[in-house]
Formats: sequence, structure tokens, C-alpha cells
Amino acid sequence: DTAVSQTPKYLVTQMGNDKSIKCEQNLGHDTMYWYKQDSKKFLKIMFSYNNKELIINETVPNRFSPKSPDKAHLNLHINSLELGDSAVYFCASSSSGRETQYFGPGTRLLVL
Amino acid sequence: SQQGEEDPQALSIQEGENATMNCSYKTSINNLQWYRQNSGRGLVHLILIRSNEREKHSGRLRVTLDTSKKSSSLLITASRAADTASYFCATDTQKLVFGQGTRLTINP
Repeated sequence: DTAVSQTPKYLVTQMGNDKSIKCEQNLGHDTMYWYKQDSKKFLKIMFSYNNKELIINETVPNRFSPKSPDKAHLNLHINSLELGDSAVYFCASSSSGRETQYFGPGTRLLVL
Repeated sequence: SQQGEEDPQALSIQEGENATMNCSYKTSINNLQWYRQNSGRGLVHLILIRSNEREKHSGRLRVTLDTSKKSSSLLITASRAADTASYFCATDTQKLVFGQGTRLTINP
């Protein structure tokens, strides 16, 4: 009965590859987010979708492309991976009008 | 740009003692939230305090907010080993902006 789940949990890949991370929430929320946490534990928002519509798009390289097929899913595709993309990526969700966010367990991406 | 900044960056205390973590921010906010992150896990919401509130309690947690000083504090009373984690403040101004967190270690 996981609330916010992400796959994969770990991802090790070579520079230049393309990879995707998937996120699903079963909380009935209508807003989903992608965050990046770097090695210094600094957590920064990347994207946010509300009812499948992109509402927050921070200054992120266009190699990162989010996609929300429905309210319960938000995927992140990364093209031409670079060493600096190595981080932990967290998905989160919330309900409109409620500020509390629920986070997934994270995807640890290591680019070699 | 980073909004919340926690202080101290790391805190180590004995079990049973109280732990206080501080957060400062730069701009006006709708609310301020505190989250906990256990090692290798996602963030868990602890408590939310609105900009018109000054203090809030939840179990062993006490949060204060001083909007004139743009600062907040999180107090954990009677700490336990299970409280060992990183604690983040996040300011809500249409999106959550997190600080770098305070790494709290509770020694048995």
C-alpha cells in the first residue's frame, strides 16, 4: 500500500545514455513534483504537474523532460546523461489546496 | 535561489536531551514546513506553521515562527535514538523551497 513509489530505486549508467524514472502515487492527489537532491543534501524542485498540466518548470536543462500520462503518474526522462546529473531524484505529490507534500523513496542515479 | 537555511548544519546530543534547530529565510511566505529525512529514505512531513501563527505543537515537536525576523525553530523534546535523521525547513511561496538541513544524531 505504498503511497508514492518510484522505479528504479538505483540507476547506474554511462555518460551519454538516456534513462527514465517512473513515479506513481495512489493517494488520489492531483499535483506531482520532481526534486533533485545533490551530494550536499540540497533539495531543489525541478518540475510540478497539476492535473497533467505543467505548472512549475525550474531552470533545468532541456535534457530533462517530464511526462504525466495521468494524475497518478509522473515520469522523468533524461537524455544524454552527464556526470553532474548524479543525484537522488525524489517524486512527491500533494492535493490542491493542501500544502503538505508526500515524498517517494527516491531514485539514486549514478552516471559514470 | 535557496530560501531556507538551517542552523546548525549538524547537531549531536544525548538521548533524552532536547534538540533545537533553526531556520532562516529571505522572502515573505505563505507557510513554513518542517520535514524529516532518514538516511537513504524520502522526506516525511512533520509540521506546518502558517504565516499568521507563532507557535505550533505536535507530540514532542514544537515549532515557532517569527515573521519579523524571518526565522523558525524546531524543538524536539526528550529526544530518542529514532529521532536521528536530517531535518529540513521548507518555505512555501507557491512552491516549496528547502534548506540544506540539519543532521541530528541522538547518542544512546
